[in-house]
Amino acid sequence: DQQVKQNSPSLSVQEGRISILNCDYTNSMFDYFLWYKKYPAEGPTFLISISSIKDKNEDGRFTVFLNKSAKHLSLHIVPSQPGDSAVYFCAASASSYGKLTFGQGTILTVHP
Amino acid sequence: SAVISQKPSRDICQRGTSLTIQCQVDSQVTMMFWYRQQPGQSLTLIATANQGSEATYESGFVIDKFPISRPNLTFSTLTVSNMSPEDSSIYLCSVSWLEKGPHEQYFGPGTRLTVT
Repeated sequence: DQQVKQNSPSLSVQEGRISILNCDYTNSMFDYFLWYKKYPAEGPTFLISISSIKDKNEDGRFTVFLNKSAKHLSLHIVPSQPGDSAVYFCAASASSYGKLTFGQGTILTVHP
Repeated sequence: SAVISQKPSRDICQRGTSLTIQCQVDSQVTMMFWYRQQPGQSLTLIATANQGSEATYESGFVIDKFPISRPNLTFSTLTVSNMSPEDSSIYLCSVSWLEKGPHEQYFGPGTRLTVT
């Protein structure tokens, strides 16, 4: 049972344009959501998070939007840079236990 | 920010043997976790490493196969026992600090294990 889904295996965008990565979840107990970026041969790097009491969180070029009614979140990267090329994972957590449930990841390629 | 290291970074092992992976953090942490990423798959939590007591395992993972130790607030080990080719994965430790929020986890670089 895949509780966190990233339906797009890959996304390709031009440098300077917006990248939008999507994530859906099924477990209504999830109350905290995170995005991670992963380069080959490295561990995931924490990017940005959002609590379920908010619908938007912004940090520099990265903005995460949460639509609880649709059980959907998205990560916007503006403007996209070639260095953003990586695998992006969304993750969700229920309560303060700390267990993260990850999506399958989306490979983002930003072309110069 | 804290430095999280893992040893070994990669290994090739024969089936039936065991490998112990170390995770070291340069500052005290609240919680430590072990994840597995099988080829082409997402990250899956194996267990939460509890200091001074038995780890808490997720469904599908058992202590006999993945014994875990956490003797202090900066160090943990994961052993992959009696390995088979299906154990070929990247194994990652992650940590969190209560003051940063229990949800935000920070990952080590991973250990790439290949079982032949």
